[in-house]
Amino acid sequence: DGGITQSPKYLFRKEGQNVTLSCEQNLNHDAMYWYRQDPGQGLRLIYYSQIVNDFQKGDIAEGYSVSREKKESFPLTVTSAQKNPTAFYLCASSASKTGANVLTFGAGSRLTVL
Amino acid sequence: AQSVAQPEDQVNVAEGNPLTVKCTYSVSGNPYLFWYVQYPNRGLQFLLKYITGDNLVKGSYGFEAEFNKSQTSFHLKKPSALVSDSALYFCAVRASGYSSASKIIFGSGTRLSIRP
Repeated sequence: DGGITQSPKYLFRKEGQNVTLSCEQNLNHDAMYWYRQDPGQGLRLIYYSQIVNDFQKGDIAEGYSVSREKKESFPLTVTSAQKNPTAFYLCASSASKTGANVLTFGAGSRLTVL
Repeated sequence: AQSVAQPEDQVNVAEGNPLTVKCTYSVSGNPYLFWYVQYPNRGLQFLLKYITGDNLVKGSYGFEAEFNKSQTSFHLKKPSALVSDSALYFCAVRASGYSSASKIIFGSGTRLSIRP
């Protein structure tokens, strides 16, 4: 079945460590997104990518980095520069570059900083 | 800059009664509008969207939403609520046109609680 796979589902990190969250899709979608979800703040856009080898910053990109070397993969690295990284991270994809198509979401990755 | 507001953190409704979850937006040009639902510890699921055409949009699970351009609103509605509708609901917006580069913004979410 087609869909988006995020891994790991749960991740614990010590302060000062970088971690990478994986996002893989087999939907042949062009656009991919990373959102961060915090209680009471909804979803905030971190980075998005319309095509391979291209990506744009969202509203809260500081302390995060991404790459889009393959159409099906859009990994997110949470760096030590991110001051409050504990959150639920959601990856999504969309078929259309213009955004008229709906987003398909992964099940999410919960990152906890110890 | 585009933005979405969901003014109610929580909406409480008795089963069988109609429900409304409010959403207002701000965007340059014509908007694309969406509603998604989230169950605990899961990703979001699509409910419905407005792109163009009829202002009343029907979606999954008996939900509908009305686009009101003058009030810049896109409220989610259902004529008769079910206990199983209890979840977190998100409104999202995207400006039309390629120049906005597919940037999709979500509201803060509204928790819908249906009591038996």
